[in-house]
Amino acid sequence: EAGVTQFPSHSVIEKGQTVTLRCDPISGHDNLYWYRRVMGKEIKFLLHFVKESKQDESGMPNNRFLAERTGGTYSTLKVQPAELEDSGVYFCASSRAGVHGYTFGSGTRLTVV
Amino acid sequence: EDQVTQSPEALRLQEGESSSLNCSYTVSGLRGLFWYRQDPGKGPEFLFTLYSAGEEKEKERLKATLTKKESFLHITAPKPEDSATYLCAVQAAGNKLTFGGGTRVLVKP
Repeated sequence: EAGVTQFPSHSVIEKGQTVTLRCDPISGHDNLYWYRRVMGKEIKFLLHFVKESKQDESGMPNNRFLAERTGGTYSTLKVQPAELEDSGVYFCASSRAGVHGYTFGSGTRLTVV
Repeated sequence: EDQVTQSPEALRLQEGESSSLNCSYTVSGLRGLFWYRQDPGKGPEFLFTLYSAGEEKEKERLKATLTKKESFLHITAPKPEDSATYLCAVQAAGNKLTFGGGTRVLVKP
């Protein structure tokens, strides 16, 4: 089966601009997660979708971040406006219902200058 | 708040030199402890899930064990291809994972 696909793989934007990251989960995976790793820190949870519904968004840092999962398929994570501290690697992961282990994508490296 | 601490931060091994990585955790109601491998430029790759103290799992040269406070990842007779960052994560309430900082392993031929 195809893995979790994320794009772009890299994005460099200026402070104040908007960026949208996309994640295509494995087909049939109801659970979709966003995580991020900022420089020198551990990977941290952002939010969890079950199909198209937000199950847990406790990790979203502030209201500049907006995640959507229309139709319960792919998901987007928009950062508007981007700040320097948003730089890092954003990972998406997916899993089947009732399965605890995730499959991660390769991540999007976001650099805000 | 759930916490995961991994040690050492980095480990340099000669090929064939066995060693262990440590993952200490504090969590309310552990649902599972996960080990992942991460190569540069890639996402974490799932290795094991451990659910209860005393449980052990093996895959090739890797063996993971779990106690009530920590988990160990034993690497037996490592090869250069085992070089990677190994990540430990715990899952408590809900499905989210809390990760440790990882251990960077370099195996030299």
